[in-house]
Parts: sequence; C-alpha cells; structure tokens
Amino acid sequence: QQQVKQSPQSLIVQKGGISIINCAYENTAFDYFPWYQQFPGKGPALLIAIRPDVSEKKEGRFTISFNKSAKQFSLHIMDSQPGDSATYFCAASISGNQFYFGTGTSLTVIP
Amino acid sequence: GAGVSQSPSNKVTEKGKDVELRCDPISGHTALYWYRQSLGQGLEFLIYFQGNSAPDKSGLPSDRFSAERTGGSVSTLTIQRTQQEDSAVYLCASSQSGLAGTGGEQFFGPGTRLTVL
Repeated sequence: QQQVKQSPQSLIVQKGGISIINCAYENTAFDYFPWYQQFPGKGPALLIAIRPDVSEKKEGRFTISFNKSAKQFSLHIMDSQPGDSATYFCAASISGNQFYFGTGTSLTVIP
Repeated sequence: GAGVSQSPSNKVTEKGKDVELRCDPISGHTALYWYRQSLGQGLEFLIYFQGNSAPDKSGLPSDRFSAERTGGSVSTLTIQRTQQEDSAVYLCASSQSGLAGTGGEQFFGPGTRLTVL
C-alpha cells in the first residue's frame, strides 16, 4: 500500500521552464513533508521541506505548495537547468520517525 | 565532519548465502534508518532505530531480514538465505532527532548495491 503517491513518473522540461511534481497522501497524521533529490549512484539529499501549518515554502528556485484539505503537495522548480536533471522523491513523516517515500520522478532538463 | 558511510559499496552473492551490510551514521545522530531501493522504484522503509532500540520493525519484508545497532552508532543489516528478489540498493540514513513533532533532516549514505545471483 503506497502511503504517498507521486506523479509523473518522468518529466522532460526545456531549460528555463517550470518543472512541477505532485504528491498525494492519505494519513492526516503526517506532519513533515520533505522533497529529496537523487543523482545516479548517490543517496538522496534533502532539497526542501514543509510542515502542514504553512501553504507554501520557497528556497531559491524551489517551491513547495501544500494543500492540507486536498492532502496534496507539489514541488515547483522555476527556471529549470540541465543540472537539475535528477530523480526527485517526495516523502511524508510522522514526527520524524518512519518516512514514507513516493516512487520518484525522473526529471530531464533539455538545454 | 564525515557523512553517512556504508560498506560494502557493492556486494554480489549467490542465492542462499547470508550477507551483512554496514552503516556508519553521522556522529551524534541518534536516529538511523534503513531503506531498500529497487530499480525504478521509490525508497521502501525497512527499519528505524532510536539509539539502540528499534521501535519500528514493520518494514522488514520477511524474517530473513534483521538489523541491529550497537553503542548507538554503527548498524548492521543482515539478510539470511538471500533470494534474487533481494537484489536492490540498500540505503542507510541518519538524523539528529529533535522533539516529537520535529522532523529532523535525514542524511543518506551512498548505499550498498546488492546483487543476488
């Protein structure tokens, strides 16, 4: 049973465009929603995270939008660059204990 | 300081053999997590340690899988009688757990790629 559902599975974006990845969850006890970036051969690295008491968080070109009532959250990458090409995972956690990950989105930014 | 390290980086074994995978977390991190990442899949939670105890073992896929953590630091994931479906990348992460309700950042190791022939 997938606790966190992620889409799309893959995404191709032109350089300078906006990349949008979506995630949905069911468990309303989740209180921490991080996004991770993973390059081939490396472990995932935290990109940005949000808590359910805010609707949006922005760090540089990366923004999380959070819709508590819809139980959805999304990652927006503005001005996408070829160096952003990686696999992105959303996740959800209860009090930083067990983390549930989405299935990942492979992003390719075309120069 | 050093990040999370895992060894070996690659392990090839024959079906039916036992394997041990090691994780060295960041010094001072009390929480340690094991995940399994199959090709093209997300991260599958296996087990979580807080100090030396494992409050949540629900993710272990079968009784062939076990894990321990000693001294609140190094952890070993053991897979007995390996099967081909065990082939995957096994990732370890650690975090400096805060108070309940604060999700501490997880720092991941590079993983161990296990291939069962």
